[in-house]
Amino acid sequence: QQQVKQSPQSLIVQKGGIPIINCAYENTAFDYFPWYQQFPGKGPALLIAIRPDVSEKKEGRFTISFNKSAKQFSLHIMDSQPGDSATYFCAASKDDYKLSFGAGTTVTVRA
Amino acid sequence: DTEVTQTPKHLVMGMTNKKSLKCEQHMGHRAMYWYKQKAKKPPELMFVYSYEKLSINESVPSRFSPECPNSSLLNLHLHALQPEDSALYLCASSLPKATQYFGPGTRLTVL
Repeated sequence: QQQVKQSPQSLIVQKGGIPIINCAYENTAFDYFPWYQQFPGKGPALLIAIRPDVSEKKEGRFTISFNKSAKQFSLHIMDSQPGDSATYFCAASKDDYKLSFGAGTTVTVRA
Repeated sequence: DTEVTQTPKHLVMGMTNKKSLKCEQHMGHRAMYWYKQKAKKPPELMFVYSYEKLSINESVPSRFSPECPNSSLLNLHLHALQPEDSALYLCASSLPKATQYFGPGTRLTVL
């Protein structure tokens, strides 16, 4: 049973576009929501993370929006570049060692 | 320094072989993890060590045997693996119940 549902499975945008990835969760005990970026053949790298007491967080061109009442959070990649082409995973945890990952979204940014 | 290192990068082994994967971190993290990742899927948790003691085993077959010799090192001993065990094996580390940092992974192929 997947605790975090991620969509879309894949998306393609033109350079400069804004890919948006959405995640939803059911477990209200989750209190930490990281996003990971993974390039082929590499390990996931932490991109940005948020806690439920914050509605938005920006780091460079990456922005997380968090809607606690809807139990949804999303990643926006502003001014996307071909180098942003990767698989993105959202995740959630509840102050323990286990991360519940979404299924992943493959983003392709065309030049 | 947020680096987790893993060796070897690639490993090919037969079903009767015994091999080991190694992971190292020098960030002072006291939690270390092994994950298995199949192509186009999110990482799946296998084991968690906290303060050098095994705290989580996600019902992993006994042909995988983890070991934590000290707070910086984590090994995964492999014996009598099956072809379906071929995957990317990821190590991660964190402060207790905090952000997990992943290594680059070992690409394992079982013939």
